[in-house]
Amino acid sequence: DQQVKQNSPSLSVQEGRISILNCDYTNSMFDYFLWYKKYPAEGPTFLISISSIKDKNEDGRFTVFLNKSAKHLSLHIVPSQPGDSAVYFCAASAGGAGSYQLTFGKGTKLSVIP
Amino acid sequence: GAVVSQHPSRVICKSGTSVKIECRSLDFQATTMFWYRQFPKQSLMLMATSNEGSKATYEQGVEKDKFLINHASLTLSTLTVTSAHPEDSSFYICSARGVNRGSEAFFGQGTRLTVV
Repeated sequence: DQQVKQNSPSLSVQEGRISILNCDYTNSMFDYFLWYKKYPAEGPTFLISISSIKDKNEDGRFTVFLNKSAKHLSLHIVPSQPGDSAVYFCAASAGGAGSYQLTFGKGTKLSVIP
Repeated sequence: GAVVSQHPSRVICKSGTSVKIECRSLDFQATTMFWYRQFPKQSLMLMATSNEGSKATYEQGVEKDKFLINHASLTLSTLTVTSAHPEDSSFYICSARGVNRGSEAFFGQGTRLTVV
C-alpha cells in the first residue's frame, strides 16, 4: 500500500516553461512534506519542504503547494532549465520536524528540453 | 548545506561475503541516521533508523541479522550486509539529521552494491 504516490513516472517540458510535478498521499498523519531531486547513482538532494500548516512555500524558481483536503501537493519549477532534468521524489513525514522517517513516492523523471 | 559522506560509492562482492557501508556526517553531529534502499524504478524504502548509542529500529520485513547497523558515534553509522546474496544487489543510501540542523535530512551519495 503506497502512502505517497507520484502517478506520473515521467514528464517532458520545454526549457523556459513551467514544470509541474504532482504528488498524492493517503496517510492523514503526514504533516511535513519534502521534495528531493536525484541524479542517477547519487543520493537525493533536498529541494524544498512544506509544513502542513502552510499551503505554499516558495524558494527561487521552486514553489510547493499543499492542498490538505485533497491530500495533494505539487512542485512548480519556473522557468524550467535543462539542468533541472533529474528524478524528483516527493517525501512525507509524520510527527513534525522532529521525526524524520520519510516515506517516498516512486519519483517522476523530469526532462527539460532545450 | 551539510555534508554526508557515504563510502564506498560502488562495491562488487561475492555471494556469501559481508560488505560494510559507512555513512559519515562531516560538519554536524547526527543524532539520527536513516538507511534506505532503492530498487530500479522504485522509491526509496526506509530500512532502519539508528540513534547514536542505541539499537537500530528496523522497518517491517527488514532482517536485522542480515543488515547490521551500528551508530557508534555522532558522526558515523555503518550498515553491514552479512552473507550477501545476489538479491541484496541494490542502491543503498543513508541520511542524517542533527540536533541543530533544522528539519532537513541530508543524504549520502549512495552505494551501489552488486553481489555476484
